[in-house]
Amino acid sequence: GENVEQHPSTLSVQEGDSAVIKCTYSDSASNYFPWYKQELGKRPQLIIDIRSNVGEKKDQRIAVTLNKTAKHFSLHITETQPEDSAVYFCAASLSLGGNQFYFGTGTSLTVIP
Amino acid sequence: SAVISQKPSRDICQRGTSLTIQCQVDSQVTMMFWYRQQPGQSLTLIATANQGSEATYESGFVIDKFPISRPNLTFSTLTVSNMSPEDSSIYLCSVHYTEAFFGQGTRLTVV
Repeated sequence: GENVEQHPSTLSVQEGDSAVIKCTYSDSASNYFPWYKQELGKRPQLIIDIRSNVGEKKDQRIAVTLNKTAKHFSLHITETQPEDSAVYFCAASLSLGGNQFYFGTGTSLTVIP
Repeated sequence: SAVISQKPSRDICQRGTSLTIQCQVDSQVTMMFWYRQQPGQSLTLIATANQGSEATYESGFVIDKFPISRPNLTFSTLTVSNMSPEDSSIYLCSVHYTEAFFGQGTRLTVV
């Protein structure tokens, strides 16, 4: 089955700096890669996703890049703010619908004011 | 989007007892997914619940321990049976539309 690895496990940045979280996956058939943000005690919430026919996607301060050949994808957060502090999970899936998600191990991001 | 109501939100249970967690979705969906999230850990899929058939369990999870019901297209239950302290965790249900939506989670503590 699919194996998703995520690095780093913890990340601290100064407010205003950028944060980058990286994930690799093993199954070349995976074609949907979402990123979730989970604040303490809350459910995971989708922040951005990318499909395998796209190399990069951006939404304001958040961007995701995908390298299908190397089987890795990354989350980039620019101009970080304290409210960005949370745990971030990457995932890989064979599209949506009835397909399960394989989650990375999570990155705890702390933005220092 | 989908709105998922999950209950209970938390519970403290005695070892050896069972707890049933309920998830209600505001629209019909073919598959529902049940995850476990141990403290500080990622989400691990327990099983996929398909209406009208038995749930499909992932390696390490068995039906006797985590029986699942899926009586209709908007509702599912997960039971954690014969609980031990190792079952203390957060349990989440999920559905997949244009994205995956999660219930608010059930924080289970077994004492």
